[in-house]
Amino acid sequence: DVKVTQSSRYLVKRTGEKVFLECVQDMDHENMFWYRQDPGLGLRLIYFSYDVKMKEKGDIPEGYSVSREKKERFSLILESASTNQTSMYLCASRTGQGRQPQHFGDGTRLSIL
Amino acid sequence: AQSVTQLGSHVSVSEGALVLLRCNYSSSVPPYLFWYVQYPNQGLQLLLKYTSAATLVKGINGFEAEFKKSETSFHLTKPSAHMSDAAEYFCAVSATNSGYSTLTFGKGTMLLVSP
Repeated sequence: DVKVTQSSRYLVKRTGEKVFLECVQDMDHENMFWYRQDPGLGLRLIYFSYDVKMKEKGDIPEGYSVSREKKERFSLILESASTNQTSMYLCASRTGQGRQPQHFGDGTRLSIL
Repeated sequence: AQSVTQLGSHVSVSEGALVLLRCNYSSSVPPYLFWYVQYPNQGLQLLLKYTSAATLVKGINGFEAEFKKSETSFHLTKPSAHMSDAAEYFCAVSATNSGYSTLTFGKGTMLLVSP
């Protein structure tokens, strides 16, 4: 089974802090994704990566950046955290084919105070 | 552009009753379609997927979905609801098989199961 591991289940940070969310997958998948999930809005794509050091903006990239230095690891960075970034963050990975399903981690519930 | 509409943010059924969760999609090309389930405080788990083989797709936990191109629908059903089915369900569409393709999700439907 594919295992996608997010480093923290719950995280509390202060406004203005730089926040790192880490995600690791163990299936040598080419593609990795970061989403945020808010009640009534479903999942919205922040960034995705289709190869090491490659990244593409999703639907809501503002206020975020990403890093993929190794194939198995994909980091989401909140450059200067704000209260409107309080949310559930989900990481996913997938092979290089769009017909294949994405596999999700358990999520990080991030609160910005 | 692709989009997904899930009708009903909440659906309530009694234990043993039929479950029907609706999903309509728009896509300019034949799509790949997925249903995911999310239990409280967990990530999304794949229930089933349609990738242009059989139009009736069987998934885990007794769920199935039928792809109807003429109706642009991919509704999820289960003949008899169980208490453990209470969760949030998401329909998603991918328009291409390329490595650059992404999923577009519906806003989700919360399934409530009463005894």
